[in-house]
Amino acid sequence: GEDVEQSLFLSVREGDSSVINCTYTDSSSTYLYWYKQEPGAGLQLLTYIFSNMDMKQDQRLTVLLNKKDKHLSLRIADTQTGDSAIYFCAERASNTGNQFYFGTGTSLTVIP
Amino acid sequence: KAGVTQTPRYLIKTRGQQVTLSCSPISGHRSVSWYQQTPGQGLQFLFEYFSETQRNKGNFPGRFSGRQFSNSRSEMNVSTLELGDSALYLCASSSATGPGNTIYFGEGSWLTVV
Repeated sequence: GEDVEQSLFLSVREGDSSVINCTYTDSSSTYLYWYKQEPGAGLQLLTYIFSNMDMKQDQRLTVLLNKKDKHLSLRIADTQTGDSAIYFCAERASNTGNQFYFGTGTSLTVIP
Repeated sequence: KAGVTQTPRYLIKTRGQQVTLSCSPISGHRSVSWYQQTPGQGLQFLFEYFSETQRNKGNFPGRFSGRQFSNSRSEMNVSTLELGDSALYLCASSSATGPGNTIYFGEGSWLTVV
């Protein structure tokens, strides 16, 4: 399977920006995704980026993609306590189905 | 529009038993995929069904099986349960299969095997 890696923990102060990083291995990935998981809940789709894009902005979220380095990042501006959760990046497998490979998840803690 | 619905939400089973989990996709969605989430292994793909046919299968033993009905609802079954099967089982649905289609997750079914 593919390898998708993330750092495990991130702690920021409320109001600061958070940057969550991810590296992936499949250079043929066409779409890359960010999901959020709150305690005891399923995964909520935050945003995704097509591989021919370098950047995508969606309100407080900015996704940056460096395809050469296979590096994806999610920036959350003006981080709030409600943003505390685990964030997963995911790439779609290169087969034609809906098989996704997920990173280990980054646990974001926002300090009031 | 209702989201992905999974039942039951919580269950406890004994080693050696079998379990069936159910997933109702978002209305109009024809693809259903299943994932297992554990603290040690993270999120791992189990299988995907589209129009009642299994499209892809992850690297899990044959004790894990699934099916999809004509109304797109899906079930997964785990036979001869082991302690290591304790996990959150997540179902995701999508309108179609292949690049460009986003998957939407349910809240999951928490399985504890004792």
